[in-house]
Order: sequence, then C-alpha cells, then structure tokens
Amino acid sequence: EPEVTQTPSHQVTQMGQEVILRCVPISNHLYFYWYRQILGQKVEFLVSFYNNEISEKSEIFDDQFSVERPDGSNFTLKIRSTKLEDSAMYFCASRTGQQSMRAFFGQGTRLTVV
Amino acid sequence: GQQVMQIPQYQHVQEGEDFTTYCNSSTTLSNIQWYKQRPGGHPVFLIQLVKSGEVKKQKRLTFQFGEAKKNSSLHITATQTTDVGTYFCAGTGTASKLTFGTGTRLQVTL
Repeated sequence: EPEVTQTPSHQVTQMGQEVILRCVPISNHLYFYWYRQILGQKVEFLVSFYNNEISEKSEIFDDQFSVERPDGSNFTLKIRSTKLEDSAMYFCASRTGQQSMRAFFGQGTRLTVV
Repeated sequence: GQQVMQIPQYQHVQEGEDFTTYCNSSTTLSNIQWYKQRPGGHPVFLIQLVKSGEVKKQKRLTFQFGEAKKNSSLHITATQTTDVGTYFCAGTGTASKLTFGTGTRLQVTL
C-alpha cells in the first residue's frame, strides 16, 4: 500500500527555535493535511492544503505556523519560535481528492520542545 | 465549531467480550470515517460511511451511521488482544477537513 512518509521521526528543539517538519504525501494525492496529537489526547486538525494554497486552518494554526509545498513532492510545516506547549506528535496526511475522504497518515514526527 | 464526542473514553474488556464505542457530532456530517490507532502508532483508516442509516461490516467489526447523520457507532464482537488501541471516529461537514472524535481507548486482557 502507498505510504505517506515523514521526517524526522523525533525532533528535540530548544524553546524559541524554529523547526521544519517534512512530509512526502502519496504521489497522486491532491489534499494535504497537518494534524497534531498531544500525548494521550485526540487528533487535532491544524491545516489543509489544496491547489498550492491553504484551504482551511484551525484556530491553533496561528502566525507561528506556516506550510509549504516547495517542489511538488514535499509538504512542510514550519513552526517559528517554538513553545513548550508545541510538544506533540505531528501527523501529515493526504488523500486523493475524489469521492473517498479516506486520509492516509504518516508515521508522525514527535516534537519535544525543551 | 464542529465538535465530535465519543463515549466511553476508555473500556477494558476480557478477550471474547463485545465492545461498542459511540460517536456524536454537534453538526450534520456528510460522511464519517473510523480510524484505529495502536499505542505509539498513527491513525489507520478502517472504513467510511456516507449514507444515512448505513451499516457496514468488516469481519467482527460493525459500523453504523445514524439516520440524522450526526452519530455513529462501532461494535466489535468477541474482542481479541489484537483489537487493543484507540478508536477514533472522524467526520466531514461541508469543508474538506476531518474532525476527529475524542477517541475510545480499548484494552483487552486474557
């Protein structure tokens, strides 16, 4: 089965530093997402991206966050000036954009802000 | 905004017992999906339901979508230790995003 790949699997960063989380969605997919899951909690929507622009974002996705699809294959989430409360598992997901809303999730990046 | 709640938060069963998790949305959904997340893992798609009142089965798992398209349930018959994990429903309203439910963590012991 095709896979969404995320790198790195674990990132430790100092508070106030910038991090970039990377994702390679499945190649023929058109919709891309970032979700966040704080340990033991639910999966929270951050942002959706379609046709090279943000199609929807949550209230969590403030000016601290940005997304890019720089080269047609990678999809990145940048977090500027990280805070302790940004520590979470970040999942990238993609879907085809056809009738099925099935999302394929990557393995996640565990971000730890110290 | 749209909220999706699940009950119970946690259930511990003996292997062979049945298990049900219930999902309720604050708004009408165009479709609902179910995902399973093993401890330390990522959400894995189980099924999508689209039609009002729809029922689908996958081996020991039975999924239902309510008539009003605001609630759903997942029932597992004769649980096995491999069923351990957190089960999330996820709904789509008018927008493209999936809103995940709060999840039900299932523990199965011998």
